[in-house]
Amino acid sequence: DAGITQSPRHKVTETGTPVTLRCHQTENHRYMYWYRQDPGHGLRLIHYSYGVKDTDKGEVSDGYSVSRSKTEDFLLTLESATSSQTSVYFCAISESNISGFPTYEQYFGPGTRLTVT
Amino acid sequence: QKEVEQDPGPLSVPEGAIVSLNCTYSNSAFQYFMWYRQYSRKGPELLMYTYSSGNKEDGRFTAQVDKSSKYISLFIRDSQPSDSATYLCAMSYPGGYQKVTFGIGTKLQVIP
Repeated sequence: DAGITQSPRHKVTETGTPVTLRCHQTENHRYMYWYRQDPGHGLRLIHYSYGVKDTDKGEVSDGYSVSRSKTEDFLLTLESATSSQTSVYFCAISESNISGFPTYEQYFGPGTRLTVT
Repeated sequence: QKEVEQDPGPLSVPEGAIVSLNCTYSNSAFQYFMWYRQYSRKGPELLMYTYSSGNKEDGRFTAQVDKSSKYISLFIRDSQPSDSATYLCAMSYPGGYQKVTFGIGTKLQVIP
């Protein structure tokens, strides 16, 4: 999985509790992404980061926040988990090209399976 | 209408068959086209990547892009049981912090 780890790999939590998922990369890639994958929807972008402390929203960002204090770590926080956030969460990374933009190839971590009861 | 449409399958084929997987899209700005393979309970892995129209071959895999029809295909020759997985198409367009749009994936089963 291209030097990407995610923790925890599985988590069950109760509605209303905060949850933080961690993505760690050893590739020194500039760009990092959080996706969720749900049946019938495919992969949907939650947030992404284009550098340390530089983040932006994706298409399904409501209820999620992110932080990136180091190049290698990208954290996803569910402030108050809801049952609709039960999903499989994937972190991805991509390099930057000579112009500083991301390349189109993204490399994915193994995923975190989150269940909110 | 979704920007990218992909039949979820499942698609079952006998070992050795030629497999054709397809996606259609509506956004004519897409220029970059990718295929990912995802094994059960694993993360997607990049399989093929093409820019604009044309064909690209890598071993038993061939990716085709027909921009005039907004249609992309992945062909797998001499399919193997180890090819059993979900195949996701993905596409993007130039400019800025590119957003990649994924299809929902087609589940393929190759039967020995």
